[in-house]
Amino acid sequence: GQNIDQPTEMTATEGAIVQINCTYQTSGFNGLFWYQQHAGEAPTFLSYNVLDGLEEKGRFSSFLSRSKGYSYLLLKELQMKDSASYLCAVTDSNYQLIWGAGTKLIIKP
Amino acid sequence: NAGVTQTPKFQVLKTGQSMTLQCAQDMNHEYMSWYRQDPGMGLRLIHYSVGAGITDQGEVPNGYNVSRSTTEDFPLRLLSAAPSQTSVYFCASSYTTGSGANVLTFGAGSRLTVL
Repeated sequence: GQNIDQPTEMTATEGAIVQINCTYQTSGFNGLFWYQQHAGEAPTFLSYNVLDGLEEKGRFSSFLSRSKGYSYLLLKELQMKDSASYLCAVTDSNYQLIWGAGTKLIIKP
Repeated sequence: NAGVTQTPKFQVLKTGQSMTLQCAQDMNHEYMSWYRQDPGMGLRLIHYSVGAGITDQGEVPNGYNVSRSTTEDFPLRLLSAAPSQTSVYFCASSYTTGSGANVLTFGAGSRLTVL
């Protein structure tokens, strides 16, 4: 079966750095996405990785290792507004998106 | 530019009732989809469409129908509501970025409760 694993919940301090991990087992791989979802709102696109390595976008970076079936989302200089759920999703060999259950990130002052 | 518009935002149904969740996008996206989101689970694909007149089933299609008569509209119909269909429903359309990613733009969501 296909599976995406993420921690259910993480807590971090304002101004700090946090790394949210995502491991996947899918039939094929055609890209990995990270979306942010604030409580009661729709998911919004954060990042996309299809090749190994680090993609940096401002305070957010996403890393991919295809050989290890592993990605992480790195958030720097955390702000209270970063409190949200972070969803990892993988496109499989049929170009269908497989979603993780999401990681709820709680930021404390 | 409104993006993806979903209505209603909230709905309460009784078991056995039918209803339609409306979804419209003004971005001229060919691909549209419907997901449901339940606590502790990833988003699950209900139905999708790659263009007007073309629809296909996703992971959890039972109990739902869709149609795509125009590029803009993609309604989701619940035929006979069941408590198991209590969920938050998201409509999404997608565009392709310069790096080849098919990025989803989601509507605000419709919270459905079936009693």
